[in-house]
Amino acid sequence: AQSVTQLGSHVSVSEGALVLLRCNYSSSVPPYLFWYVQYPNQGLQLLLKYTTGATLVKGINGFEAEFKKSETSFHLTKPSAHMSDAAEYFCAVSDPVYNFNKFYFGSGTKLNVKP
Amino acid sequence: DAGVTQSPTHLIKTRGQQVTLRCSPKSGHDTVSWYQQALGQGPQFIFQYYEEEERQRGNFPDRFSGHQFPNYSSELNVNALLLGDSALYLCASSLRRGSGNTIYFGEGSWLTVV
Repeated sequence: AQSVTQLGSHVSVSEGALVLLRCNYSSSVPPYLFWYVQYPNQGLQLLLKYTTGATLVKGINGFEAEFKKSETSFHLTKPSAHMSDAAEYFCAVSDPVYNFNKFYFGSGTKLNVKP
Repeated sequence: DAGVTQSPTHLIKTRGQQVTLRCSPKSGHDTVSWYQQALGQGPQFIFQYYEEEERQRGNFPDRFSGHQFPNYSSELNVNALLLGDSALYLCASSLRRGSGNTIYFGEGSWLTVV
């Protein structure tokens, strides 16, 4: 069974500062890993995903994440926060063997960017 | 190319009523999944349809049912609505074959039960 833990329901950073959003997962098999962003009153937009290959994954809007199997982590980072990054971020996993289309989401982290 | 489209975007229902939500997947996608996102929580998997059959189901009661049509579009039906069914309902589409394919989400349908 898969599960996702996002540490910190709210994260606040200053504009220009490093963004670090944490995601740890539990999975019986090497999972597929995803980060989605949700702006107020909108659906989910894919930021980046890891399936196979290079463990450092680059996504849209300057975000990247690194899959660390030994730590069962997939933390999301961005070197310099912009005001437009304020949103809620969800980490998700799926099982590539049984059903890669079924996602297990974390409870989300709301990112606040201060001017 | 239209992405995943859902309707209606917002609706208000009374306890005990029934509701139907609709989803058109991204062009070329054959698999549709439904998720419930309660306020302040991450999306929870309801069920998934492929080839017009329910293939997997999450931990939701039988009041939640669905359907997939030959054109791959899908409906989510909820009977005997409860206040706790108030949530954003998200539809996701993907290709069944080819692991690692990107999954696309619609904008969602906001359901308020009063």
